Amino acid sequence: GQNIDQPTEMTATEGAIVQINCTYQTSGFNGLFWYQQHAGEAPTFLSYNVLDGLEEKGRFSSFLSRSKGYSYLLLKELQMKDSASYLCAVVDSNYQLIWGAGTKLIIKP
Amino acid sequence: GAVVSQHPSWVICKSGTSVKIECRSLDFQATTMFWYRQFPKQSLMLMATSNEGSKATYEQGVEKDKFLINHASLTLSTLTVTSAHPEDSSFYICSARDNRAGAQPQHFGDGTRLSIL
Repeated sequence: GQNIDQPTEMTATEGAIVQINCTYQTSGFNGLFWYQQHAGEAPTFLSYNVLDGLEEKGRFSSFLSRSKGYSYLLLKELQMKDSASYLCAVVDSNYQLIWGAGTKLIIKP
Repeated sequence: GAVVSQHPSWVICKSGTSVKIECRSLDFQATTMFWYRQFPKQSLMLMATSNEGSKATYEQGVEKDKFLINHASLTLSTLTVTSAHPEDSSFYICSARDNRAGAQPQHFGDGTRLSIL
C-alpha cells in the first residue's frame, strides 16, 4: 500500500527553527509537495521537490532524498502566524496525490 | 493572484437540498481537476478525479449518485451534493492540475464550507 508518515504535532518557540519530517512509500514518485493549512482554510502551496537536494525559499526550505523516501520542511525564524498544519503529499506514478495526515505546528511565545 | 476560483465559499441549507459547487481554472486549461473533502481536524480526503469530457473517477466509498461531478469544459468542474444531509457537512476543496511548463503542478481553490441543518 501507499503510505505517508509525518508527526502528528510539534511545538516550537517563536524565533526558533523547526524541522518537519515526512517519509513515504508510494507506487512511483513524481514529486513531493509541502502545503500549509490554517484552520478552516484551503491549503497554501509552499514547495514542490522532484529532484534530490535542498530548495530554499525565504524562511522556508524543503529537502528531498528519493533514495531514502524522505523529505523535510525547515522553518526558520518562526513567527506566531506559522502556527498551522503542514501537509506532505507525494505524486505517485499515476500522477495522483497521496496525502499525509498533516503535522500541527504550535508556536509558543 | 488566484488561479483557481471555487464558488460558493459558504453554504448553509436545509436537509434534502442539493448543492452545487463550482471550480474554475482562471488562466489555464485544466483537463484534470480533483475534489477533496476535509472533516475538522482531519486530513484531506480525495473524493474523485474529474476528467474533462469523460466520467469522473471516484475513490472507494464515495457514492457516485450522491456526489455528481461534471467537467464539461477545460476550465470548469462542478460537484453537486444531492439531497444533502447533516453528515455531508464538511469542507470541500477542489484543485486543478496545471500542465504548463514551469508551473506549479496543482492549484487549490479556497474551499467551500457546507453546513446542512
